[in-house]
Amino acid sequence: EDKVVQSPLSLVVHEGDTVTLNCSYEVTNFRSLLWYKQEKKAPTFLFMLTSSGIEKKSGRLSSILDKKELFSILNITATQTGDSAVYLCAVEAGPGGKLIFGQGTELSVKP
Amino acid sequence: GAVVSQHPSWVICKSGTSVKIECRSLDFQATTMFWYRQFPKQSLMLMATSNEGSKATYEQGVEKDKFLINHASLTLSTLTVTSAHPEDSSFYICSALTSSPGYEQYFGPGTRLTVT
Repeated sequence: EDKVVQSPLSLVVHEGDTVTLNCSYEVTNFRSLLWYKQEKKAPTFLFMLTSSGIEKKSGRLSSILDKKELFSILNITATQTGDSAVYLCAVEAGPGGKLIFGQGTELSVKP
Repeated sequence: GAVVSQHPSWVICKSGTSVKIECRSLDFQATTMFWYRQFPKQSLMLMATSNEGSKATYEQGVEKDKFLINHASLTLSTLTVTSAHPEDSSFYICSALTSSPGYEQYFGPGTRLTVT
């Protein structure tokens, strides 16, 4: 059975800290891994990763994929209170766009 | 980026009634849309894949007679929760798949359903 596991499930840090969120997966027919940020409503897209070892960056956020070890990390540097959210990792398994989501990591950034 | 809307954004209904939720791709055509359900403090669970002009494909454990999906046009998919029960109360989110320039999935804002 395909599965995506995220860790930790929750995390509390202070502004300015750096955090690393983890996502491991076991899926047949892997196509891509995606990271989303979810605040009160639907998820917003952060990154899509398809190749191992190539870091994607957007401001203070970065992510990398290891297809050999079947995991990805999402780094957030110099965290701000606005980074507080649930971060979801999803894997596209097979053609057609079907996504399998992990449980999410709830990040809380304290001032 | 592409925009996906959902209507209504929230709905309260009585047990035993049916509720229809619409998902629209506003500025692109989507042959494929997805319906997810999210319970509090849990992740998104895929319910079904909706393909324009054909029957939806339901995930294991999702009752197709209870959650009716219709994808009648390239910009609209609907999910009807029939004979709703309190345990159907959840956050329902749709997404639409673009095919140009690449296959990307855009999420709607979600519909909060409460069944009393």
